[in-house]
Amino acid sequence: SQQGEEDPQALSIQEGENATMNCSYKTSINNLQWYRQNSGRGLVHLILIRSNEREKHSGRLRVTLDTSKKSSSLLITASRAADTASYFCATVGGGADGLTFGKGTHLIIQP
Amino acid sequence: NAGVTQTPKFRVLKTGQSMTLLCAQDMNHEYMYWYRQDPGMGLRLIHYSVGEGTTAKGEVPDGYNVSRLKKQNFLLGLESAAPSQTSVYFCASRATIGLGYTFGSGTRLTVV
Repeated sequence: SQQGEEDPQALSIQEGENATMNCSYKTSINNLQWYRQNSGRGLVHLILIRSNEREKHSGRLRVTLDTSKKSSSLLITASRAADTASYFCATVGGGADGLTFGKGTHLIIQP
Repeated sequence: NAGVTQTPKFRVLKTGQSMTLLCAQDMNHEYMYWYRQDPGMGLRLIHYSVGEGTTAKGEVPDGYNVSRLKKQNFLLGLESAAPSQTSVYFCASRATIGLGYTFGSGTRLTVV
């Protein structure tokens, strides 16, 4: 079953604006990861945040994690046309049994 | 540095036919995974392996078998393909927990 649920399902903004995507999950986690998928391509790892971390930055990306609410957010600042893609959150439990994905947010950056 | 390579990239099968999807990684990763992605869905785990010679079932294992005879390769087999197995299949690998996964570019399989 899907662990994470992204919100919104689709988001369209103007180039230069900030984009925020949210993710909620159901069970305890070891870490939470965000991936980007361009149309027809594989997934690319963006950022990982551990369960004992609250915020993490990587370039134009900012991720927050609230384990009490079982939620995370991904902020992309100063968006570019190349950021158009689907974004997935994925959680990792305590074992080796892989990532559990949400259904994704489709982000469109209008030039 | 190729990362994770999947072959073939596209395939059309008739119902009842069999095929094997190959995943190869050159990063010496212990853990390897097979996922399927259906329209409007996130990825769902089919099978995974925590090292050479090991395999385990994921969320949706029915109709699939896997083998990890060599550390760098993870094979996904469909013994008797069904239309419900039409999907895009992704292989992924990682070194240890706490690190991101590296994905292949996918295999688009259509079963008619």
